[in-house]
Amino acid sequence: EAAVTQSPRNKVTVTGGNVTLSCRQTNSHNYMYWYRQDTGHGLRLIHYSYGAGNLQIGDVPDGYKATRTTQEDFFLLLELASPSQTSLYFCASSEGQGGTERLFFGHGTKLSVL
Amino acid sequence: GQQVQQSPASLVLQEGENAELQCNFSTSLNSMQWFYQRPEGSLVSLFYNPSGTKQSGRLTSTTVIKERRSSLHISSSQITDSGTYLCAIQNFYFGKGTSLTVIP
Repeated sequence: EAAVTQSPRNKVTVTGGNVTLSCRQTNSHNYMYWYRQDTGHGLRLIHYSYGAGNLQIGDVPDGYKATRTTQEDFFLLLELASPSQTSLYFCASSEGQGGTERLFFGHGTKLSVL
Repeated sequence: GQQVQQSPASLVLQEGENAELQCNFSTSLNSMQWFYQRPEGSLVSLFYNPSGTKQSGRLTSTTVIKERRSSLHISSSQITDSGTYLCAIQNFYFGKGTSLTVIP
């Protein structure tokens, strides 16, 4: 089973603060994703990547940057955090082309922006 | 617009009853998955099922691409089945989920 590890598990910051969420997958999957989950919206795709150095925008990219530094590591950056970014964030990975293969999720990061 | 619609939004079952959860999508696909979200938030992959029928224990997933729908059948429900069931297409679009509560 593919392993996806997110850190931190919980994070509290203030409005205007900088936050970096980390994700590492250990099976050299091509695709990695960042989602946010909010009550009433389900999971929404923020950014995704199909390899080191690549970045694609998802459905809700505003206010987020992301960087894929290696095949294994994908980071989500909030440079000026706002209360609207309080959410549960999930990282996931999949192998294969076109993002059509089975998704493997991390445990999630709960972010609170005060 | 909403790419994926799940129904019902919530469901309460007595232990031992069966359930049928629906996922309808508005776009063609070549990837359909079902997930279980535990009450504490973690996500578990149940089925990767872009077409046809797959079974795992008491769970059965059926996807009919032409009709743009997928279903998840839970037989003989147990209290531990309680949680939220999510479907996703193309790894990009998720439904809002069905919240299932199984009572004794």
